[in-house]
Amino acid sequence: SQQGEEDPQALSIQEGENATMNCSYKTSINNLQWYRQNSGRGLVHLILIRSNEREKHSGRLRVTLDTSKKSSSLLITASRAADTASYFCATAERNTGGFKTIFGAGTRLFVKA
Amino acid sequence: GAGVSQTPSNKVTEKGKYVELRCDPISGHTALYWYRQSLGQGPEFLIYFQGTGAADDSGLPNDRFFAVRPEGSVSTLKIQRTERGDSAVYLCASSPRGGSSYNEQFFGPGTRLTVL
Repeated sequence: SQQGEEDPQALSIQEGENATMNCSYKTSINNLQWYRQNSGRGLVHLILIRSNEREKHSGRLRVTLDTSKKSSSLLITASRAADTASYFCATAERNTGGFKTIFGAGTRLFVKA
Repeated sequence: GAGVSQTPSNKVTEKGKYVELRCDPISGHTALYWYRQSLGQGPEFLIYFQGTGAADDSGLPNDRFFAVRPEGSVSTLKIQRTERGDSAVYLCASSPRGGSSYNEQFFGPGTRLTVL
């Protein structure tokens, strides 16, 4: 089963516009992470936000977390064609071995030049 | 430095055959993870190693799937009696330490398995 669910499933925007992707999850979390996946380049970790944080920035990325609503958003400002990729949220689920990472189904972002 | 590597990059096999997928983690990373990703889906957790031992194998779908990491570095995912439903991209990731939810995972490019 997948913990995070992204919304929208797909998003198409013009270069220079902002892109917002949302993620909802079901259980309590320690942190939430966002990953990007380009075809041919694999998954790359973008940013981690802890459960006691509400907002975090990294370059053109802004992540928010609302633990009361069990949701997070990823904002990419001034998008570029190179931002075209799939974006996944991931949460850590505690188990006997430590933690395992549960990914959502992802948002497919297409930035038109 | 070298990232996580996976071999082969593509594997085509016939239903019922046995396959092995290899993962070389980043040197010094103690934690290693295997995921399976179907088209249009996010990665699905399979198994997590801390050193040589499987700390969590709860994601392995059935007993046809098995993974080892005998020396705490390279790992092999083994699938017996492959079925068409096993077709997917198998991703491997490593992180410097395990046991914490704050560790960034570094992913390999994946092995695309096709079962005919």
